[in-house]
Amino acid sequence: NAGVMQNPRHLVRRRGQEARLRCSPVKGHSHVYWYRQLPEEGLKFMVYLQKENIIDESGMPKERFSAEFPKEGPSILRIQQVVRGDSAAYFCASSPPSKGTQYFGPGTRLLVL
Amino acid sequence: SQQGEEDPQALSIQEGENATMNCSYKTSINNLQWYRQNSGRGLVHLILIRSNEREKHSGRLRVTLDTSKKSSSLLITASRAADTASYFCATDANDYKLSFGAGTTVTVRA
Repeated sequence: NAGVMQNPRHLVRRRGQEARLRCSPVKGHSHVYWYRQLPEEGLKFMVYLQKENIIDESGMPKERFSAEFPKEGPSILRIQQVVRGDSAAYFCASSPPSKGTQYFGPGTRLLVL
Repeated sequence: SQQGEEDPQALSIQEGENATMNCSYKTSINNLQWYRQNSGRGLVHLILIRSNEREKHSGRLRVTLDTSKKSSSLLITASRAADTASYFCATDANDYKLSFGAGTTVTVRA
């Protein structure tokens, strides 16, 4: 009974490169959420997706960041042309169709050199 | 702005003692949840309390909610070294967008 899976767990990128973070929700969950955690801070909501739909992306930076949750396969958070300020832990959570409790993955720690 | 704010920022206690941390929030909520995060790891869901509930228990955890004061508390009884972690409260003004505070870092000394 696998929980939320994220990969990679650690990702190092140089400024200007692209970062691609993957999230596989709990089996049967149809809602996916991405959060970002800066050092010594709490998590900040980025985006909420259902299959093939972005429901709320109010927490996403307007440029360079995009997210998708295709019909098949994991949800992807994509950061283009990364900058040092993008260094953070990115967490994915999922919840069942009835919503309720969000279950978090282990996170991807992105370091931009 | 952050919805949930935990207090204190850090707490150090002896094994076997109780640990209490508080969370204050600003706007009306549907639910309030507490999560634990071990250093460098993901979040583990501890307990959810609905806005119409005042107290909830789960094992050694006791959560209270006072919607008139917009505050919640998490009590860990008979603490263990394994309870060393950061604890976050998360509120949801709608039914999906969780707002987290900066957390309380709890250290349990053996």
